[in-house]
Amino acid sequence: DGGITQSPKYLFRKEGQNVTLSCEQNLNHDAMYWYRQDPGQGLRLIYYSQIVNDFQKGDIAEGYSVSREKKESFPLTVTSAQKNPTAFYLCASRGNYGYTFGSGTRLTVV
Amino acid sequence: AQKITQTQPGMFVQEKEAVTLDCTYDTSDPSYGLFWYKQPSSGEMIFLIYQGSYDQQNATEGRYSLNFQKARKSANLVISASQLGDSAMYFCAMREGGPGDTGRRALTFGSGTRLQVQP
Repeated sequence: DGGITQSPKYLFRKEGQNVTLSCEQNLNHDAMYWYRQDPGQGLRLIYYSQIVNDFQKGDIAEGYSVSREKKESFPLTVTSAQKNPTAFYLCASRGNYGYTFGSGTRLTVV
Repeated sequence: AQKITQTQPGMFVQEKEAVTLDCTYDTSDPSYGLFWYKQPSSGEMIFLIYQGSYDQQNATEGRYSLNFQKARKSANLVISASQLGDSAMYFCAMREGGPGDTGRRALTFGSGTRLQVQP
């Protein structure tokens, strides 16, 4: 079945470390998105990519970086510059019939 | 300015009764789409229903219907015959631009409504 796979499901990071969250899709979608969700809040857009080798900042890009070297993959790096990285991160892709979301990665800074 | 506003942080409903979750939106784009998602405690986003700005009729999907009032910029979700499994967070979201438009076409989300269905 086609879908989006995010890994890991849970991630613990020490302060000052960079970590990379994986997002892989087999839906053949061009557009992919990263969202951040804080407890009891809605989703906020971090970065998006509409095509391979191109990506754009969303509303809260500071402290994050992405790459889009393959159509299937859109990894998100949470850098040490992100002051409050503890959150739930969701990856999504957009096709002709709407948006598909991954199951998320819960990142905790310890 | 908030593009999507959900004014009900939490709602309670009795099992088998209907409930309406409010959503208002703000856009100057004549072409847009409105979505409702359900998020259970597991965190996954489950698509419920979609309404396009040019759709003449209100969208319905099983027990879900969308009360679309374009002039008032509201897109309320109605859940009929609530079930215990409906207890979750519900998010209203908007995509600006139509299917053929360029641009980021990302979803903008409201802050959500936590629905609790009581037996």
